[in-house]
Amino acid sequence: KQEVTQIPAALSVPEGENLVLNCSFTDSAIYNLQWFRQDPGKGLTSLLLIQSSQREQTSGRLNASLDKSSGRSTLYIAASQPGDSATYLCAVTDSWGKLQFGAGTQVVVTP
Amino acid sequence: NAGVTQTPKFRVLKTGQSMTLLCAQDMNHEYMYWYRQDPGMGLRLIHYSVGEGTTAKGEVPDGYNVSRLKKQNFLLGLESAAPSQTSVYFCASRLLTDGYTFGSGTRLTVV
Repeated sequence: KQEVTQIPAALSVPEGENLVLNCSFTDSAIYNLQWFRQDPGKGLTSLLLIQSSQREQTSGRLNASLDKSSGRSTLYIAASQPGDSATYLCAVTDSWGKLQFGAGTQVVVTP
Repeated sequence: NAGVTQTPKFRVLKTGQSMTLLCAQDMNHEYMYWYRQDPGMGLRLIHYSVGEGTTAKGEVPDGYNVSRLKKQNFLLGLESAAPSQTSVYFCASRLLTDGYTFGSGTRLTVV
């Protein structure tokens, strides 16, 4: 069974620092990997989608890498802002299209 | 705005009552999913559908039923609600090669 782990579980940084969030998965036979953001009491917002054939995706200050062979993905957020405070979820898609989520990393960016 | 719409947003049920949660998407997506999110448990798949008229069980299907009579709608039913079904329910949809789009969630409390 696929298991997705996110480290650290929580992270607090001062504004302006770069954020590095880690995600690992046990079965490399994934269809794609997606990073989401969830604000308290809200739904999930998709940040980046990396297909299994890709190594990375970028959107603005966000960059996500994927190393399928080692079962790892990293989300980088450059020059963090207080508005980046949220929970970040990593999820892998299996060949049936079912998502397996990690438990998330709770991020606090202090002014 | 295009996306996934869930109704209702909040609901309180008494044990034993029944209800239906509605998910509607206007993106012509084939695949639709129902997840529940609980503290410490993350997001878990309840049921999913790969097309109109088809449904399948996910990780935690007991106590729930679903129907996909129209491509744009995916209904989640609770026949006899139990306190263990207190949770936040999320619906999601996607095309085969795209990432997931999530609704804003339904917060259900069973007393």
